[in-house]
Amino acid sequence: QQQVKQSPQSLIVQKGGISIINCAYENTAFDYFPWYQQFPGKGPALLIAIRPDVSEKKEGRFTISFNKSAKQFSLHIMDSQPGDSATYFCAASGAGGTSYGKLTFGQGTILTVHP
Amino acid sequence: DADVTQTPRNRITKTGKRIMLECSQTKGHDRMYWYRQDPGLGLRLIYYSFDVKDINKGEISDGYSVSRQAQAKFSLSLESAIPNQTALYFCATSDAGTRHNEQFFGPGTRLTVL
Repeated sequence: QQQVKQSPQSLIVQKGGISIINCAYENTAFDYFPWYQQFPGKGPALLIAIRPDVSEKKEGRFTISFNKSAKQFSLHIMDSQPGDSATYFCAASGAGGTSYGKLTFGQGTILTVHP
Repeated sequence: DADVTQTPRNRITKTGKRIMLECSQTKGHDRMYWYRQDPGLGLRLIYYSFDVKDINKGEISDGYSVSRQAQAKFSLSLESAIPNQTALYFCATSDAGTRHNEQFFGPGTRLTVL
């Protein structure tokens, strides 16, 4: 059972455009929501993360928007660049219970930014 | 990536063979994880270990076993490989001292079972 659902599976954006990837979760015990970025031939690496006490977090061109009541969060990439072409994974974890110390990942989104 | 190493990087094997994937880390982290990545399914947790004497099953542990030989080493074994275990396998580590564990991934092992 997939506790974190991610969409779209793939996304093509023109250089300079906005890339938006969405995730929805089911477990209300989740309290940490990171995004990981994976380049071909590499392992995933942490990109940006948010906790549910804020609705938005911005780091450079990357922004997470969080909607606790809807149990949804999204990644926005502003001014998308060809170097942003990668696979993006949302994830979630909790401070206790069965989710303690573990990350539950979404299905991944393959982003392609055309020059 | 150099802090978490995986061997081999690529492996082709036959159905029924036993195979071991190895992971080593120099980050000094207590926690280690094994995931498999399949297109459209994301990363799924196979096994995880919070310290040398701790082993826990993840969501897809059937057909796999692990060994935590030391703090720095965590091995994944397929006792009798089958074709649907063809996937990209990742080892990851995290620091138990942080409340929310950023995980550091190795470069992956691409396994093909014929």
